[in-house]
Amino acid sequence: DADVTQTPRNRITKTGKRIMLECSQTKGHDRMYWYRQDPGLGLRLIYYSFDVKDINKGEISDGYSVSRQAQAKFSLSLESAIPNQTALYFCATSDSRQGIVRGYTFGSGTRLTVV
Amino acid sequence: DQQVKQNSPSLSVQEGRISILNCDYTNSMFDYFLWYKKYPAEGPTFLISISSIKDKNEDGRFTVFLNKSAKHLSLHIVPSQPGDSAVYFCAAILTGANNLFFGTGTRLTVIP
Repeated sequence: DADVTQTPRNRITKTGKRIMLECSQTKGHDRMYWYRQDPGLGLRLIYYSFDVKDINKGEISDGYSVSRQAQAKFSLSLESAIPNQTALYFCATSDSRQGIVRGYTFGSGTRLTVV
Repeated sequence: DQQVKQNSPSLSVQEGRISILNCDYTNSMFDYFLWYKKYPAEGPTFLISISSIKDKNEDGRFTVFLNKSAKHLSLHIVPSQPGDSAVYFCAAILTGANNLFFGTGTRLTVIP
């Protein structure tokens, strides 16, 4: 089983619909992140959480919300999806005890299309 | 404003030769740099990192060089193998900060 699991892998939704992307991890990491990848823009941080009670906005949080249900689960919601939220979404984790030396562990991504 | 830039969207190299992937950054306060490798339909995977107090870090076929005065880092892969064909992202972080800043990626193709 993957260390960081994202569901669904692919999703097509209509403009205005609410959608939730889910992420779970078995690495025991305390920190979790949501990124989106767009062509020509690399990966950009949407939200991050350093523990269950700590939620913070990233550089592109508008139109998104998150929930850290447990240390191992971090979900991303689009309250009212719009076409420019079509992107590849990645969940990532890190361990504050290890520092940044080993970077983050990423899930396989969710490809979201808003029509 | 892109703080980490990879100006070459693609690179093709013959198997066995050296691959050199480049990355430039604008924030002189970055103190850690990382390279990630991404295959299609998979998430990025960590490859190698370097602290800003060093100018070189080596791990097998992969070496990262850091030139702080030029705000430039590069990843060397020697010898290149077909399995190295992937998209490579460089990333940078400020210790104590909460965000990895990613470049836009370079697609490496190693030709057998």
